[in-house]
Amino acid sequence: QKEVEQDPGPLSVPEGAIVSLNCTYSNSAFQYFMWYRQYSRKGPELLMYTYSSGNKEDGRFTAQVDKSSKYISLFIRDSQPSDSATYLCAMSDFSGNTGKLIFGQGTTLQVKP
Amino acid sequence: GAGVSQSPRYKVAKRGQDVALRCDPISGHVSLFWYQQALGQGPEFLTYFQNEAQLDKSGLPSDRFFAERPEGSVSTLKIQRTQQEDSAVYLCASSYTEGRAEAFFGQGTRLTVV
Repeated sequence: QKEVEQDPGPLSVPEGAIVSLNCTYSNSAFQYFMWYRQYSRKGPELLMYTYSSGNKEDGRFTAQVDKSSKYISLFIRDSQPSDSATYLCAMSDFSGNTGKLIFGQGTTLQVKP
Repeated sequence: GAGVSQSPRYKVAKRGQDVALRCDPISGHVSLFWYQQALGQGPEFLTYFQNEAQLDKSGLPSDRFFAERPEGSVSTLKIQRTQQEDSAVYLCASSYTEGRAEAFFGQGTRLTVV
């Protein structure tokens, strides 16, 4: 079993819909949680960065972390065709000063006009 | 430049050939990471540098993989005697402190071994 599980999709929604993307994890030591967006043939782009539990909002994006359930979410409001991409969750415990990230498989999102 | 720069963007190598992939991190960033991303998968950690010190190389898949960052800025990932299973996108990322910070990725080098 992978440390981080993410449904690969694809997820297809109409423009303007609210999108919910999720990851579960098994390592209770994870404290830093990130969401990256990756367009085809591009590198991952950092969207949201959260420490420990709670919510964080940035424009149309909201990240939620529930450490008790080992579950993180990314919500996208008023989705746009330009949001069509693969969304990767990533997390770390930053133990040993390494800072390495453990990624989910990525969820492919398509927003249809 | 403003972001992490990787070169070449694309590399085709014959099986058995050695390759070298270059990463220019964001100026002043202390931490540098290499990841490998197979098709349809998330990136997987290869190795980590803090300045010129390679503090974690636990993700390197075999002794054919070697990384260096001799002056604490530019890094090179070298793969010797490439195999078909080495075909992947190799991503470099940097962050401005030692751990506990966001990592910013380059566009990657797509390696195809034929």
